[in-house]
Amino acid sequence: DSGVTQTPKHLITATGQRVTLRCSPRSGDLSVYWYQQSLDQGLQFLIQYYNGEERAKGNILERFSAQQFPDLHSELNLSSLELGDSALYFCASSVGAGGSSSTDTQYFGPGTRLTVL
Amino acid sequence: AQSVTQPDIHITVSEGASLELRCNYSYGATPYLFWYVQSPGQGLQLLLKYFSGDTLVQGIKGFEAEFKRSQSSFNLRKPSVHWSDAAEYFCAVVTGGGNKLTFGTGTQLKVEL
Repeated sequence: DSGVTQTPKHLITATGQRVTLRCSPRSGDLSVYWYQQSLDQGLQFLIQYYNGEERAKGNILERFSAQQFPDLHSELNLSSLELGDSALYFCASSVGAGGSSSTDTQYFGPGTRLTVL
Repeated sequence: AQSVTQPDIHITVSEGASLELRCNYSYGATPYLFWYVQSPGQGLQLLLKYFSGDTLVQGIKGFEAEFKRSQSSFNLRKPSVHWSDAAEYFCAVVTGGGNKLTFGTGTQLKVEL
């Protein structure tokens, strides 16, 4: 158990809908990361938040957004869902913000499996 | 751009045999490298990491990896594989601003009893 929790574990929804995925980081971690794992794209970094502020952005679609709250939990919002958004969404957390000389380590949650029908 | 290559998509070994999973990276500076394992239906578990220093790093579950700058490699090894090691293994490197992880495509390990 990494200490990172994600809810829900599974989510089934229809195209065009909007869903919210939730992540609670390990105790003491200030950074939260979101990754998407799909068969065709593999594991891809979406976005990082550090202490409530966006820190780094990856291949995140405009239909997707995230935020980190004062209690450090994070939510990933996915809207206007398409079939291709079906994937496993991972949250990870780490102590620091990262950077060129950072030796931070990311610990991953169990993931939320999203199925769009 | 920084990247990670895992040349082997699938590997099958017999229980008790030795294992080596290959990982090659492309990165200008000294890379920070990681190996994660994903069991079926599970999240990613950190096996080991390399930041600097001793190029042979020990991890959990009896795994080790060796950083070879001259070969741009960070191969994962285990002297004797157990059936419970069957899983998908991902090599990753920290790239760019923040703390973004760039992953390889993964190697699926099957263990024959």
